[in-house]
Amino acid sequence: TQLLEQSPQFLSIQEGENLTVYCNSSSVFSSLQWYRQEPGEGPVLLVTVVTGGEVKKLKRLTFQFGDARKDSSLHITAAQPGDTGLYLCAGPKAGNNRKLIWGLGTSLAVNP
Amino acid sequence: KAGVTQTPRYLIKTRGQQVTLSCSPISGHRSVSWYQQTPGQGLQFLFEYFSETQRNKGNFPGRFSGRQFSNSRSEMNVSTLELGDSALYLCASSLASGGLDEQFFGPGTRLTVL
Repeated sequence: TQLLEQSPQFLSIQEGENLTVYCNSSSVFSSLQWYRQEPGEGPVLLVTVVTGGEVKKLKRLTFQFGDARKDSSLHITAAQPGDTGLYLCAGPKAGNNRKLIWGLGTSLAVNP
Repeated sequence: KAGVTQTPRYLIKTRGQQVTLSCSPISGHRSVSWYQQTPGQGLQFLFEYFSETQRNKGNFPGRFSGRQFSNSRSEMNVSTLELGDSALYLCASSLASGGLDEQFFGPGTRLTVL
């Protein structure tokens, strides 16, 4: 059983479209991290959300942490081919900060 | 500042053999974590080393082992390789131990077991 469920698993869109991907759990997390992994590379941290209800923006990317700290979303506005990659969410379960739990990721392809 | 480096980048082995992977963290980082990444299971935590001590361990069999040297470089060893060990092995370094600090990943070692 995956503690962090990411959806959709795959997404293929045209350049300029908007999209939202989700990271959901039945468990509470003290924080959630979002990473992007490009082919042949390791994941790179995009943002960490810590407070329930928090919204963070990174250029065209908007990250939101659920009020109950059980879920998070990533919204991309006007997607570009450079946004292509595997988007992963990860977080330490509340009460156990020593180990990160990882979702399986959303594989995004943005076609020119 | 140089990033995390992993060697080798690609490796092909046969069942029953053993393999050693190497990871050099970012200068000044004392924590090194190892992960196995497969399409079906995603990133699975193997273990974390901090100042030459294993601080955390995932749910992998004893065939998977690691160590960390005084210069923070780390090695991971897999003995008696099985087909299911084929995966991308990633290492990540961070300043502090635990899951709260930002982790910086290397490009990974792609292991294929035939």
